[in-house]
Amino acid sequence: QVQLVESGGGVVQPGGSLRLSCAASGFTFSSYGMHWVRQAPGKGLEWVAFIRYDGSNKYYADSVKGRFTISRDNSKNTLYLQMNSLRAEDTAVYYCAKDQLVIIRAFDYWGQGTLVTVSS
Amino acid sequence: NFMLTQPHSVSESPGKTVTISCTRSSGSIASNYVQWYQQRPGSSPTTVIYEDNQRPSGVPDRFSGSIDSSSNSASLTISGLKTEDEADYYCQSYDSSFAVFGGGTQLTVL
Repeated sequence: QVQLVESGGGVVQPGGSLRLSCAASGFTFSSYGMHWVRQAPGKGLEWVAFIRYDGSNKYYADSVKGRFTISRDNSKNTLYLQMNSLRAEDTAVYYCAKDQLVIIRAFDYWGQGTLVTVSS
Repeated sequence: NFMLTQPHSVSESPGKTVTISCTRSSGSIASNYVQWYQQRPGSSPTTVIYEDNQRPSGVPDRFSGSIDSSSNSASLTISGLKTEDEADYYCQSYDSSFAVFGGGTQLTVL
């Protein structure tokens, strides 16, 4: 069965950096696009970033463009999110999600999420 | 980029039918598929409708989806409401370079 397990969350000071990881199993990781989606406490879902199956294209929400970088290692079945210049408004649960396709379409599997708290 | 607008909350009694709307701000609702996700407190989202009106295996046929080009909106209808349907529901669509969620609708079954 498909499993997505996020890790790397924690407490970081404003302006700091953090790298999230998502270990994937149960499907051919290298054949699907992957996303990061976040949810601030008590708020709705916000799409953060997408990477194509082969890493050739990456897209970002305007709110994180220039600060966050999505990447993947298909040999390790792992998705990453490098987060720099973190702000209080980046505080959220970050979910890794698999797309149905190689391009942006829909989310068919989600991880359990990892909490990132940006606070001094 | 377009936005998706949902009502903040809806409530209905067990056994009744409820419909949640999702209105696209620009461009045609029919241009890109709409998905619906259910999120219970403390849990990750799960898909209840994909590609406008398709149900994943395991989702009861009480859940149905549709789109209406005249109002440029999508709808999620849940019939025969059960207390277990109480959750937040999010619509989602996409374009070539981004994905977008509606703000979410809190469904109360009372």
